[in-house]
Amino acid sequence: ETGVTQTPRHLVMGMTNKKSLKCEQHLGHNAMYWYKQSAKKPLELMFVYSLEERVENNSVPSRFSPECPNSSHLFLHLHTLQPEDSALYLCASSQDRGYTYEQYFGPGTRLTVT
Amino acid sequence: AQSVTQLGSHVSVSEGALVLLRCNYSSSVPPYLFWYVQYPNQGLQLLLKYTSAATLVKGINGFEAEFKKSETSFHLTKPSAHMSDAAEYFCAVSLMDSSYKLIFGSGTRLLVRP
Repeated sequence: ETGVTQTPRHLVMGMTNKKSLKCEQHLGHNAMYWYKQSAKKPLELMFVYSLEERVENNSVPSRFSPECPNSSHLFLHLHTLQPEDSALYLCASSQDRGYTYEQYFGPGTRLTVT
Repeated sequence: AQSVTQLGSHVSVSEGALVLLRCNYSSSVPPYLFWYVQYPNQGLQLLLKYTSAATLVKGINGFEAEFKKSETSFHLTKPSAHMSDAAEYFCAVSLMDSSYKLIFGSGTRLLVRP
């Protein structure tokens, strides 16, 4: 595997379910990100991890719970979601924190909440 | 506050025609600027970035962008469009502070007519 991978690619879940999204980066990067991409809205940054420490929580509802067990893996745990949470969830990584470093994105998980 | 504006949510060109996608930024300090492309059902891929070196930046797939401070612009161009260029394009500005945020524009969908 190369780059940033995400599983599953598609997920349909009911509002009472609990599921997790997984992201893995094979680039040796130290920073990882979760974004939400909804139709007709700009990308929304959700969480930022640097060296496995959460450094940004962008006012995200508690029904989204991130986890970064090491610098290569990032999870997004989901529970009691709402239909408006249906979106494409993108994971990204960068070499390090800081504004000069470009972010590399995974293919995303298309989430549908029924 | 830093922000990015992409003029035109949709741009349509004929194959072989010039591609021009517009991006204007608002920043109180010199920014770092990026263009990303998103093909259907995929994540974002970095096309090019401006990091205060040369004002004309060349990227992948024949794209380039010119940083114009006086106009606060970073427009993306390609001399001759290919059908494979059909995608959504995002301009982003990087915050020069302790956060690691990329601020994304709302995106421009490029349609290429045969």
